[in-house]
Amino acid sequence: QKEVEQDPGPLSVPEGAIVSLNCTYSNSAFQYFMWYRQYSRKGPELLMYTYSSGNKEDGRFTAQVDKSSKYISLFIRDSQPSDSATYLCAMSGTGTASKLTFGTGTRLQVTL
Amino acid sequence: KAGVTQTPRYLIKTRGQQVTLSCSPISGHRSVSWYQQTPGQGLQFLFEYFSETQRNKGNFPGRFSGRQFSNSRSEMNVSTLELGDSALYLCASSLTGAEVTEAFFGQGTRLTVV
Repeated sequence: QKEVEQDPGPLSVPEGAIVSLNCTYSNSAFQYFMWYRQYSRKGPELLMYTYSSGNKEDGRFTAQVDKSSKYISLFIRDSQPSDSATYLCAMSGTGTASKLTFGTGTRLQVTL
Repeated sequence: KAGVTQTPRYLIKTRGQQVTLSCSPISGHRSVSWYQQTPGQGLQFLFEYFSETQRNKGNFPGRFSGRQFSNSRSEMNVSTLELGDSALYLCASSLTGAEVTEAFFGQGTRLTVV
């Protein structure tokens, strides 16, 4: 079983929809929870991160972490065609010298 | 400020050959990590270098190796290539490696083994 599980999709939604992306994990040592966005033929770029539990909002994006359930989510409000990309969750403990454990990524397509 | 630069962008190699990929980190960054990305497995951690020393290693066979130079540039080498080594190889740099939320990725090297 993988440490981080993520539904690969693809997920297709109409423009303006609310998108929910999720990951589950098994390692209780994870303290940093990140969401990356990766466009085709590009490297991943960090969207937002949360330390420990709780919610974090940045514009149309909201990240949630529920450590008791080992479940994290990313919500995208008012989705745009430019949001079409692969979304990767990533996690890390502390003091682990930059080792990130990734989900396999969810491919999102926002249609006009 | 220049980003992380990986060369070459694309490579086609034959089974059994070896390959060397290069990563130039952001200026001032001393930690370089390497990841393999495949459709089925996602991004998997290969190794991390800091000040020319490998500090952390993922679960890959010994055919995968790397090194870091005094200017923080890093190379990874894959010997005796197998078809399953076809993947996007990504490197990420950060200041010291402890800033997991401040790691910046390059665009990757797409390796195809035929």
